This record gives sequence, C-alpha cells and structure tokens, in this order.
Amino acid sequence: RKEVEQDPGPFNVPEGATVAFNCTYSNSASQSFFWYRQDCRKEPKLLMSVYSSGNEDGRFTAQLNRASQYISLLIRDSKLSDSATYLCVACENSGYSTLTFGKGTMLLVSP
Amino acid sequence: NAGVMQNPRHLVRRRGQEARLRCSPMKGHSHVYWYRQLPEEGLKFMVYLQKENIIDESGMPKERFSAEFPKEGPSILRIQQVVRGDSAAYFCASSPPALKNTEAFFGQGTRLTVV
Repeated sequence: RKEVEQDPGPFNVPEGATVAFNCTYSNSASQSFFWYRQDCRKEPKLLMSVYSSGNEDGRFTAQLNRASQYISLLIRDSKLSDSATYLCVACENSGYSTLTFGKGTMLLVSP
Repeated sequence: NAGVMQNPRHLVRRRGQEARLRCSPMKGHSHVYWYRQLPEEGLKFMVYLQKENIIDESGMPKERFSAEFPKEGPSILRIQQVVRGDSAAYFCASSPPALKNTEAFFGQGTRLTVV
C-alpha cells in the first residue's frame, strides 16, 4: 500500500520560532516529492518541491533522505500567516503526476 | 490566465440523488485529476483523465462513481445515488502534457454535503 505518514499535530509555536515537520513514505518507487500548504477549507497550494540535495526558499528548507524514505520541512522565523496545514506529497512519476498525500500537519503560530 | 475552475463550490444533495461536479482545467492543460478529501482525512486520488480518455481510475469506488473529460467542455465527476459517506471536498487538478516533476494546479474544490 502506498502511504505517506505525517504527525497530525497541531504544532503550536510563537511568532519567530523555528519549527520542523517530518514525513515518511512507503512507496520506494516514489521519485518526486513536494510540500503543499492547505488553509482551512481551501485548496492545496504548492509550497515547494523537495530535492535530494535539499533546497531552500526564503524561510523554508526542505530535505529528502531517499535511503530512509524521509522528508522534512523547516520553517524559520515563523509568521502568523504560516498557520495552515502542511501536506507532504510523493509522486511515482509513472508517466503522469498522480500525487499521494499525507494527512497533513497543522501549524498554529501565535503572537 | 484563469486557474482551474470548479463548480459548484457547494452542493447539497439528498440521499439517493445524483451529484455532478464540473472542472475546467487551466488553459493549455490537457490532463485532469480528481481527488477526494473526506473530513479529517488527506486527499485521495480518484481518477486521471485526458481528453476523451480515462487513463487511471484506480482510486474510483467501484460503483456509483464515474468521470469523463469530453472533447469539448469541462470534466465531469458524477456520483449516482449519493449516500452520507460521499460528503467530502472534491478537488480537481490540472497539468500540462505529462512531464516529470510537473506541478498540478488545484481548483478551489466542490464541497458536497449529503443530507
């Protein structure tokens, strides 16, 4: 069974904090990985892709460990607007982009 | 360039009725994916379509659910004889012709409530 597992949280952090989310995937054939963000009752939106070499986009850093089948997202200097659910996503890339989503990790940033 | 358009945004149906959900992909996108998000659950893949073809329907329930993407017009997800367990958010995503690491863009979803 192809699954992506995440800690559901919620993670409650103060503004300015650094927070890290982890996720594991079971399908060793997965080739592409993403973090999506979903606000309450909204559609998921791509936050960033995840590469083996690790990648950074402003306050966000994503890492991939293929050997452990483990993905992480680090958010530095948290903002109130970062409050959302973060979805870990794996894609087998078997010729098309069917995505396997984790259930998401909720982040609540407080003043 | 309009994004992925789904309608209706909210749909209420009584048990036993039919629900029809529509999705118009982004301009230039020929691939459509339907996902379902049950309350407190993650998004689950249902079906992947190209124009006039169902490519992968491995996530579709065996009965009552069908999908199409005709040559002209939007993609339609049809649920016959709805039951309370069908209440969920249904998201459509589209992408250009398949390339590796292609981002899928999601519509705002249709929230189906079965009463």
